[in-house]
Amino acid sequence: NAGVTQTPKFRVLKTGQSMTLLCAQDMNHEYMYWYRQDPGMGLRLIHYSVGEGTTAKGEVPDGYNVSRLKKQNFLLGLESAAPSQTSVYFCASSSGGLAADTQYFGPGTRLTVL
Amino acid sequence: ILNVEQSPQSLHVQEGDSTNFTCSFPSSNFYALHWYRWETAKSPEALFVMTLNGDEKKKGRISATLNTKEGYSYLYIKGSQPEDSATYLCAFPFYNQGGKLIFGQGTELSVKP
Repeated sequence: NAGVTQTPKFRVLKTGQSMTLLCAQDMNHEYMYWYRQDPGMGLRLIHYSVGEGTTAKGEVPDGYNVSRLKKQNFLLGLESAAPSQTSVYFCASSSGGLAADTQYFGPGTRLTVL
Repeated sequence: ILNVEQSPQSLHVQEGDSTNFTCSFPSSNFYALHWYRWETAKSPEALFVMTLNGDEKKKGRISATLNTKEGYSYLYIKGSQPEDSATYLCAFPFYNQGGKLIFGQGTELSVKP
């Protein structure tokens, strides 16, 4: 089992460019999450999904869109990248959505927007 | 607004020292508290999920306690080793559905040989 994988690992964009980050999990988990990690701020939730075909906003959704067309994949899109979106992006998944359900994280994507 | 605070922000100890750090969270509407360990260039990895007041969990030299009435959890590392160097994150669920977590800013532990 690969667990949670993220593509790409690194990316450099120019302001205004667009890109899509792919998260894939092979654990048959219903719930998937996208976080961003910035120095001194911990992990902040961007968007999440409670099942195939559903998405919802987290703490910091502005400037991002997501889609969950297949249960195993969760895509994060940046339509017009801004320097403020320079961050490390983590995807996570969990089998259930209860408070005590563990989230399993991918290795992260380091994005720099110039 | 939910606030999850961790202290200290960073900690430098010598190999063999025992250490502890704190996670503070809202004491009302408690459902669970998560601890994660995050090594540089790796994925955050779950350490403990704590659900009951007075809970104590242990994994090797790492243990955690929980006080839901006063809203804090302690993480202890006994006899720190260089491989314990990592950022330790605690996370508090928004509520009991959707699995959304609010993370603290983390405690960065550095253990010198």
